[in-house]
Amino acid sequence: EVQLVETGGGLIQPGGSLRLSCAASGFTVSSNYMSWVRQAPGKGLEWVSVIYSGGSTYYADSVKGRFTISRDNSKNTLYLQMNSLRAEDTAVYYCARVGGLVATYFDYWGQGTLVTVSS
Amino acid sequence: DIQMTQSPSSLSASVGDRVTITCQASQDISNYLNWYQQKPGKAPKLLIYDASNLETGVPSRFSGSGSGTDFTFTISSLQPEDIATYYCQQYDNLPGYTFGQGTKLEIK
Repeated sequence: EVQLVETGGGLIQPGGSLRLSCAASGFTVSSNYMSWVRQAPGKGLEWVSVIYSGGSTYYADSVKGRFTISRDNSKNTLYLQMNSLRAEDTAVYYCARVGGLVATYFDYWGQGTLVTVSS
Repeated sequence: DIQMTQSPSSLSASVGDRVTITCQASQDISNYLNWYQQKPGKAPKLLIYDASNLETGVPSRFSGSGSGTDFTFTISSLQPEDIATYYCQQYDNLPGYTFGQGTKLEIK
């Protein structure tokens, strides 16, 4: 059974850093495209970042230069390093597996972890 | 960037009604359009992928259609458990993934 479990969220001051983790089971992270999607309180879904099976990474303009997606193949875990955090980064962060022949949709999601950026 | 326009933003319908949600892309996205259901406090769930394919385990009352720029999501007979917010999502090869604004579906 495919499962994704995010951890690492919490309250952080503006300008601070936080690292989110997403532990996967039931499939191999390094053989798949993996992504982070976030949802601000009461708002819609926003794609944040993707890492390809080959290691290429891409980011939404809103986080480019501040967030870094990575993975640890030995731990079958996906990460999101978030630096220079802003109030507008406050959201539930979901990790998701990207499915499809050309990786066009998110077929499995974690339960999410809440990040609150506030002084 | 490709923009997605989803409508309506909210919808009230009765049990047994046919419900339709639309999503329009600002440029041709072929059939790279997907639909998700999100219940309060839960993660989104994939219902339809590549415009018209039903995800495994999803009830057949859910369907999708369209290609190019105009897409439709339909619930053929609304059930009480279908109360949720529904999102469309497109893929472009920049790469990037864009979600529609969401449609909150309520029971009348």
